[in-house]
Amino acid sequence: DGGITQSPKYLFRKEGQNVTLSCEQNLNHDAMYWYRQDPGQGLRLIYYSQIVNDFQKGDIAEGYSVSREKKESFPLTVTSAQKNPTAFYLCASTPTQGYSNQPQHFGDGTRLSIL
Amino acid sequence: KQEVTQIPAALSVPEGENLVLNCSFTDSAIYNLQWFRQDPGKGLTSLLLIQSSQREQTSGRLNASLDKSSGRSTLYIAASQPGDSATYLCAVKNAGGTSYGKLTFGQGTILTVHP
Repeated sequence: DGGITQSPKYLFRKEGQNVTLSCEQNLNHDAMYWYRQDPGQGLRLIYYSQIVNDFQKGDIAEGYSVSREKKESFPLTVTSAQKNPTAFYLCASTPTQGYSNQPQHFGDGTRLSIL
Repeated sequence: KQEVTQIPAALSVPEGENLVLNCSFTDSAIYNLQWFRQDPGKGLTSLLLIQSSQREQTSGRLNASLDKSSGRSTLYIAASQPGDSATYLCAVKNAGGTSYGKLTFGQGTILTVHP
């Protein structure tokens, strides 16, 4: 079945450590997104990528980095500069970005906590 | 800056009741509006997408309406069932400006349908 796979499901970060969240899709979608969800809040956009080797900052990019070397993969690194990383992280994709009426497909998320 | 608000924050109803969830947005320059369902600890599942030129969309027991000029959308659920219990989020796809193509999410309505 086509879909988005996020791993791991749970992740713990030590002080000063960088951690990387994996997002893989087999939907052949061009556009991919990373969101952060905090309790009682809506999703906030961290980074997005419209095509391989290109990505743009979202609304809350500070303390995060991404890469897009392959169409199917869009890993997110939470760096030690992100002082409040505890949250639920969601990866999504669409066939194309920008003006389109295609709904976003989501993975099942990674829950990141501080040790 | 686009802001999306959902009312109520939580709703508890007996099985079989018809219910309405509300979503309002501050900037009417939208491309589309989407309703999503989120089960605990999971990603988002797209329920309905209404294009800016449309007034409503229907899928089974769900009906979503859009009044772009007044900045409002409603999600109507008919004959609610315990399996409908979840968090429902609305999101608008912004048109133009620096928010081109991005989704802005509301904080969600937590729905509980009890037998």
